Amino acid sequence: GAVVSQHPSRVICKSGTSVKIECRSLDFQATTMFWYRQFPKKSLMLMATSNEGSKATYEQGVEKDKFLINHASLTLSTLTVTSAHPEDSSFYICSARDSDTQYFGPGTRLTVL
Amino acid sequence: RKEVEQDPGPFNVPEGATVAFNCTYSNSASQSFFWYRQDCRKEPKLLMSVYSSGNEDGRFTAQLNRASQYISLLIRDSKLSDSATYLCVVRNQGGKLIFGQGTELSVKP
Repeated sequence: GAVVSQHPSRVICKSGTSVKIECRSLDFQATTMFWYRQFPKKSLMLMATSNEGSKATYEQGVEKDKFLINHASLTLSTLTVTSAHPEDSSFYICSARDSDTQYFGPGTRLTVL
Repeated sequence: RKEVEQDPGPFNVPEGATVAFNCTYSNSASQSFFWYRQDCRKEPKLLMSVYSSGNEDGRFTAQLNRASQYISLLIRDSKLSDSATYLCVVRNQGGKLIFGQGTELSVKP
C-alpha cells in the first residue's frame, strides 16, 4: 500500500533555531499534502495544506511566516519551523492523499528547549 | 462548538467486553466519515470508513446516521491489542479531514 515517510522522527533543538521536517510519498505522487500538529492528549489540528507548485494554504491562526511550507515536487513537502520556541514543541504529522485515501506519515516529535 | 465531538474517555474494559464509541459532527455538508486508530506516540491509521448502510469488519462495526449527524463504532470481544485511542474523523466539503479529540480505550486482562 501507499507509504508516507517523514524525517526526522525526533528532533531536540534550542530555542531560536529553525527546524526542517521532510514528508515524502514513497510510491505515489501527491499534488496535495497536509501538515498537522498534535499536542499531548489533544486532537490532530490541520495547520496547512501544501500544494505542489503553488503556495500553501494555512488554517486560521497558523502563522505562515513561522511555519514555512515548500512543496517542490509531487513526492516531497517540507515544513520549516522558524525560530522555534518551547511552545512549538509538539508532534507534527504530514499526510498525503492518493485518490480518495489519505495516508499519514509516522510523525516528527519536536522538543524545543 | 467543535466540528467533531467524541465521548470523553478513557474507557477501561476487560478482555472480551463489547465497547461502543459515539461521535457527533456539526457540519451537515460533511462528505465522508472514518474511524482511525492511534497508538501512543504514533501516527493515526485508518481503521474503517463509515457508510450510512453500516459496515462491519470482523469485530468492528461502524454506523452513520446522517439525519442526526451521529457516528458510532462498536468493538466486540475486545482484545488487549485493541488498546489505543480511537479517532472519529470527518471529511468536509473542502476535502479536509477534521479530527475528533479521540477516545482512549484500555483493555485489561
